[in-house]
Formats: sequence, structure tokens, C-alpha cells
Amino acid sequence: NAGVTQTPKFQVLKTGQSMTLQCAQDMNHNSMYWYRQDPGMGLRLIYYSASEGTTDKGEVPNGYNVSRLNKREFSLRLESAAPSQTSVYFCASSPNAASYEQYFGPGTRLTVT
Amino acid sequence: DQQVKQNSPSLSVQEGRISILNCDYTNSMFDYFLWYKKYPAEGPTFLISISSIKDKNEDGRFTVFLNKSAKHLSLHIVPSQPGDSAVYFCAASPGGGSNYKLTFGKGTLLTVNP
Repeated sequence: NAGVTQTPKFQVLKTGQSMTLQCAQDMNHNSMYWYRQDPGMGLRLIYYSASEGTTDKGEVPNGYNVSRLNKREFSLRLESAAPSQTSVYFCASSPNAASYEQYFGPGTRLTVT
Repeated sequence: DQQVKQNSPSLSVQEGRISILNCDYTNSMFDYFLWYKKYPAEGPTFLISISSIKDKNEDGRFTVFLNKSAKHLSLHIVPSQPGDSAVYFCAASPGGGSNYKLTFGKGTLLTVNP
């Protein structure tokens, strides 16, 4: 089992460009999450999907959109990237939204110039 | 307003000694606490957790202590090993249907010297 996979690992964008970060899990989990981690900060929740077909905003959703494509996949889209979105992005999954423990992917390091 | 605080950005200990990582929280609604470990270029991995109804949870070399009245928890690693060198994040959940809403601290970089 690969667990949670994320693509790409690294990305450099210019201000105003768009891109989609991909995430997939093979643990048959119902719930999936997107976080960002800024230097010297803890992880902050951007969006989450409690189950297939549902998505909800987290703590810092502005500038992002998400799609729960199916049970395995949860993508994060930046429509018009800004330098403030330079960060490391982590996708995570859990058996369901009642689970405390979440399983994280390796992260995508995004730089917006 | 930082609800979960890890006031020590870094900690250095000798191999074989005890490592103690501390975490304070301000929100009395938190009822479940977790520690995650993160190596460079990897995602965080779950280490150990504790419910607010307990004051101690032990798993091998790792023990988490919770002092609810002080809103303080600590992670003890005994004995420390070089492979334990990583960033450790404390996280807290309010439970009550929002179990997934983890609030993370900024992390503490632990270095275990051989």
C-alpha cells in the first residue's frame, strides 16, 4: 500500500497562474483533508471532505477550491496563485470524520514568484 | 491567537537520555491530543495520543502526560535514539463531532546526538 500520495512534489508558479495539486489514498478512507504549512507555523486546515461527494471549508480556504473526484482522490486548485500561497501543502486521510488520527502524504512544496 | 503552543523551537539531547517535549493549550474545549513526528521531506506521522479523561498514555519508549488543570501535555521519549531526531508536532481536537478538526502547534525540532 502506498498510503497517501501527492503530485507534484515541487512546483514553481508565477503570480496569477493556476494549478491543481493531486492527492490519492489507497486505504479506503472516507475522509480527506488539505493542509498548508508555512515556515515556523503549525499545519492549518484549508479544506476537508468528510465523505465522497461532500467538501467543507477549513481554517484558511480563501484562494483555493477543492474537488473530491471519487473516494480515492481529493484535489486542491489554486485559480490565481499569489506569493502568499507559497507553502508546503499536505494531503491527509482518515477512516472517517470521527477519527482523530490522520495519515499524511509527503507534501508538495509550492513557490509562487 | 495560538491555541496550541510549543514554546521550545528546538531541543538537543544525548542518545540514551530522556527527551521531554512540551505543549500548552488555551482552549478548554479540546478533549483529545495527539503527537505527530515529521522527518524532512516527509509528511507527519502519528506517534501517540491521549484522551482528556486520562492523564497518561504509554507506547513503548513514548509516554504522553496530560495535566488538564494546567492545560499542559508533554511527550517523554526514553531512551532517546538518533532516529528520533525529527520535528514533533502537538495537535489538539475538540471532539464532539469535530474530531477531525486538529489544531497544530508550531513544532519542536528534536536532535538526538550519538
